[in-house]
Amino acid sequence: GQNIDQPTEMTATEGAIVQINCTYQTSGFNGLFWYQQHAGEAPTFLSYNVLDGLEEKGRFSSFLSRSKGYSYLLLKELQMKDSASYLCAVRDNYGQNFVFGPGTRLSVLP
Amino acid sequence: NAGVMQNPRHLVRRRGQEARLRCSPMKGHSHVYWYRQLPEEGLKFMVYLQKENIIDESGMPKERFSAEFPKEGPSILRIQQVVRGDSAAYFCASSPEVGTKETQYFGPGTRLLVL
Repeated sequence: GQNIDQPTEMTATEGAIVQINCTYQTSGFNGLFWYQQHAGEAPTFLSYNVLDGLEEKGRFSSFLSRSKGYSYLLLKELQMKDSASYLCAVRDNYGQNFVFGPGTRLSVLP
Repeated sequence: NAGVMQNPRHLVRRRGQEARLRCSPMKGHSHVYWYRQLPEEGLKFMVYLQKENIIDESGMPKERFSAEFPKEGPSILRIQQVVRGDSAAYFCASSPEVGTKETQYFGPGTRLLVL
């Protein structure tokens, strides 16, 4: 079966750090992706992990542990514009399919 | 290099009518994915196509829904005899090839409203 879990909502303060967790159980694995989606807009690509460890990209970092079926997205120095939904997705069976989690709606407060 | 194009951006249909959603992938991309998103929910996979072939349609309802990606022209998602429950945002995404770090690139979506 395919299952991806994320917290539904999170709230953080401008300037702070927030970690959004994602756990997955899929029949195959060929990469984990994080996307950002603002309300009413299309998802945009943030990060990609296929090996264990941390990938850093400016204010955003993503971590993967394949043995635990676990990833997180770390957002530093939060800005108001970071208020959005963050989607975790696993590419399954060597590219046949992307399975998306339900998304985490992040609200950044002043 | 133009991104993924979808049209129309907004579509209003009455119950029982047909809806046709179009998606032109990014140049050089031969893989197209369609997703449905209900308000406040995540993306639900519907169908994955390559040129002239349906690779995986496991997420698409068996009735009323069909998809194609012809040799020439855009990919089409067709919904026949629409019902109110079909109201959603439909996103198309494309990728150049599988098995690489390349992600999917999403179009702006078509918001379908069934009255």
